[in-house]
Amino acid sequence: EIVLTQSPGTLSLSPGERATLSCRASQSVSSSSLAWYQQKAGQAPRLVIYGASSRATGIPDRFSGSGSGTDFTLTISRLEPEDFAVYYCQQYGSSPFTFGPGSKVDIK
Amino acid sequence: EVQLVESGGGLVKPGGSLRLSCAASGFTFSDFSMNWVRQAPGKGLEWVSSVSSSNRFILYADSVRGRFTVSRDNAKNSLSLEMNSLRAEDTAVFFCARGVPAASGRYYFDFWGPGTLVTVSS
Repeated sequence: EIVLTQSPGTLSLSPGERATLSCRASQSVSSSSLAWYQQKAGQAPRLVIYGASSRATGIPDRFSGSGSGTDFTLTISRLEPEDFAVYYCQQYGSSPFTFGPGSKVDIK
Repeated sequence: EVQLVESGGGLVKPGGSLRLSCAASGFTFSDFSMNWVRQAPGKGLEWVSSVSSSNRFILYADSVRGRFTVSRDNAKNSLSLEMNSLRAEDTAVFFCARGVPAASGRYYFDFWGPGTLVTVSS
C-alpha cells in the first residue's frame, strides 16, 4: 500500500498570498497518477488536479500541480476567499487508492 | 449536468446490514467506472471500493473486503454497496464518485455525490 503524507497540516495565509502544499508518497506513484481534491465543510470533495499537473474542468489557473515519482506539490498562486478549504492528495495508480490526511488552508 | 445522488444511509446496530445506492444522471453511466469513498466524522477520506464500467473488475479496501459488496446496474444507471457485519468504525459519510480513465489507463474521480451518512451504534 502506498502511504501519502501531506504537509503542512495547516497553513494560515491571507487572501492574495501564495499557498504551497506538499504530498509525499512512500513509493513511486505510477504514471503520475496523483490527484488533488478540495473539500469545504459539509461538502463533497471537488477534483482540482489530476495526472499530477492537469487542471480539472472549471478550475482556475491560479491552481497548479507539479511533481512525479514520490514528491508532488499543489500551488495556489494567489488565494481567493473561496480557496480556503482542506486539500487532499490521492494516488490512483495502484490499489488501494489511498488518500493523504489532508492539508487545511485557513484564513490568517 | 452530471449528477450523483446517494441514498440508503441511516442508523444500524453493530453486526447489522445496510444497502447504499447511488443514482447517476447526466452522462452515459456504462462508460465510466464507479467508486465508493467514505469519510468518518471529522476525519479524512478513505477509498472503499471500485467497479469497472462493465462490472468485470471489482476492487475493495482491506478494511471492508468480505463484508461489503459493490454492484452496478448499467440499465438503471445505478450503483450499490451492500454492507454486512457493520462495525462502529464503519460510521462515515459514504460518497459515490465517477471514475474517468486517464491516458495512463488509471482512473481518477471527477464527480462526487453529496454523500449519505451511515451510523453504526447500539
